[in-house]
Amino acid sequence: GENVEQHPSTLSVQEGDSAVIKCTYSDSASNYFPWYKQELGKRPQLIIDIRSNVGEKKDQRIAVTLNKTAKHFSLHITETQPEDSAVYFCAASNTGFQKLVFGTGTRLLVSP
Amino acid sequence: DAGVIQSPRHEVTEMGQEVTLRCKPISGHDYLFWYRQTMMRGLELLIYFNNNVPIDDSGMPEDRFSAKMPNASFSTLKIQPSEPRDSAVYFCASHLYGAPEAFFGQGTRLTVV
Repeated sequence: GENVEQHPSTLSVQEGDSAVIKCTYSDSASNYFPWYKQELGKRPQLIIDIRSNVGEKKDQRIAVTLNKTAKHFSLHITETQPEDSAVYFCAASNTGFQKLVFGTGTRLLVSP
Repeated sequence: DAGVIQSPRHEVTEMGQEVTLRCKPISGHDYLFWYRQTMMRGLELLIYFNNNVPIDDSGMPEDRFSAKMPNASFSTLKIQPSEPRDSAVYFCASHLYGAPEAFFGQGTRLTVV
């Protein structure tokens, strides 16, 4: 089955810096890669996603890149702000968007 | 729609007791997932249903865990007997086939003492 690895487990940056979180997946049949943000005590919520027919996607300060050959994808946050502090999860899903498998999460701390 | 609804929000129980967690998915969604979240292991997929039928329960840790979905609007996750290592936040999520965003409930924080 699918296995998703995520690094780093914690990431501390200064406000205004960029943050990069990386994930690798094992199942070459996976074709949907979402990123979820979980604020303290709250539920995970989708912030951006990418499908396998696209190499990069941007939404304001966040972007995701996908390298299908290497089976890895990354989340990039530019101009970080304290409200970006949260746990970020990557995930991978197979054809039909059925089984969504998550990475272990990255705790991002943005210091003012 | 009120989103995915889970109950209870918090549950404290003694070791050996039966615990039942409940979930109401978003109306019309045909996939339902149960996840367990811990600091050490992140979000683990326990089981998922499609049209009320269990598709993959390979993530269920052991026979003490069971899940049912008697109809399209209700699912339960039961732990019997509960153990302290079951303490975690349990999330239910649902999505619609072809619309891959999974919507999570607010979770149930389970503490087994």
